[in-house]
Amino acid sequence: DQQVKQNSPSLSVQEGRISILNCDYTNSMFDYFLWYKKYPAEGPTFLISISSIKDKNEDGRFTVFLNKSAKHLSLHIVPSQPGDSAVYFCAASSGTYKYIFGTGTRLKVLA
Amino acid sequence: DAGVIQSPRHEVTEMGQEVTLRCKPISGHNSLFWYRQTMMRGLELLIYFNNNVPIDDSGMPEDRFSAKMPNASFSTLKIQPSEPRDSAVYFCASTAGMGGQETQYFGPGTRLLVL
Repeated sequence: DQQVKQNSPSLSVQEGRISILNCDYTNSMFDYFLWYKKYPAEGPTFLISISSIKDKNEDGRFTVFLNKSAKHLSLHIVPSQPGDSAVYFCAASSGTYKYIFGTGTRLKVLA
Repeated sequence: DAGVIQSPRHEVTEMGQEVTLRCKPISGHNSLFWYRQTMMRGLELLIYFNNNVPIDDSGMPEDRFSAKMPNASFSTLKIQPSEPRDSAVYFCASTAGMGGQETQYFGPGTRLLVL
């Protein structure tokens, strides 16, 4: 049973527009959430995180929103750039080493 | 600075053969993770070491899988005998501390194909 779900396997967005990647979770014990970005033939790299005591965290063009009541988080990329084309994984943990990852969303930013 | 190093990058083998994947964590990191990535299940944690000691191996799928960390700078993941359903990308990651809210740094992965 997938505790972290990314229901959109892929997403295409025009350069300069907003990209919104979504993630849902089922375990109410999760209190720390992360987004990783993965280019082909490379390992995932950390992008941004959020603790459950916050509902928003921003880092440059990247913002993560957390809606605890809906058990939903989203990653916004504004403006999207061709270099953002990658697979994005969301992950969650309950304060331990154990990250539960989603299956990923492939983002394609069209020039 | 060198990141997490994994070898080989690609491995093609026949069913029944032994496969050994290798990982060198970032120097100074004391937590090491082995993950498996598949299309259906995403990234799954196989085993977690802290200070070279296996802490959680609940994700290891079967007895055919084993992992060791003989010292702070080297770990292996072995599959014996390998089966076609083991085909996946295997990642090693490391972090300083116990890995709670510390960032996990991933290696480039080993793409395994079992024929």
